[in-house]
Amino acid sequence: DTAVSQTPKYLVTQMGNDKSIKCEQNLGHDTMYWYKQDSKKFLKIMFSYNNKELIINETVPNRFSPKSPDKAHLNLHINSLELGDSAVYFCASSQVETEQYFGPGTRLTVT
Amino acid sequence: AQSVAQPEDQVNVAEGNPLTVKCTYSVSGNPYLFWYVQYPNRGLQFLLKYITGDNLVKGSYGFEAEFNKSQTSFHLKKPSALVSDSALYFCAVREAGYSTLTFGKGTMLLVSP
Repeated sequence: DTAVSQTPKYLVTQMGNDKSIKCEQNLGHDTMYWYKQDSKKFLKIMFSYNNKELIINETVPNRFSPKSPDKAHLNLHINSLELGDSAVYFCASSQVETEQYFGPGTRLTVT
Repeated sequence: AQSVAQPEDQVNVAEGNPLTVKCTYSVSGNPYLFWYVQYPNRGLQFLLKYITGDNLVKGSYGFEAEFNKSQTSFHLKKPSALVSDSALYFCAVREAGYSTLTFGKGTMLLVSP
């Protein structure tokens, strides 16, 4: 009965590889988000989709590409991984103008 | 532009004592304000929000927050702290009509037995 789920929970990979993180929400929300939390716990919005349409695209390298196949899913694909991409990535969802609900996070470690 | 400041990196309080975690914000228009809590190796959990109405907002786990427009503050409070309240707390703001949520840097709350 998890509201917002992410897979995988942990991801360890080498520099230069391509990886994807999947996110699903069963709350019926219209909007989904990707956040990056760095080692100092600072949270920064990366992307936001509303009804499968990109509405927020912060200053993020174009190696990061979100894909929303439907309203309940928002995946994050990362090309040519770099050491600085190591972080915890959180997916979240909300209805318009309401609080966001977060997934458990994906800890990405690039070696 | 919107911003949030959490002036304390850490707040220490003894169990049973009242706690306050401070938050101030800056937005051009009307603010929507939120508090979230993050336990170790977990995602953020929503605690409470202020959109409009009463300045005192009650939320989960006995927490409450007071919206003060003149001081642009939204401090999180609890009358009696529990050891299990120890976690990282984030204040966040969004300007009405905008989608982007801006988070503060977080305040670690440590409740000692």
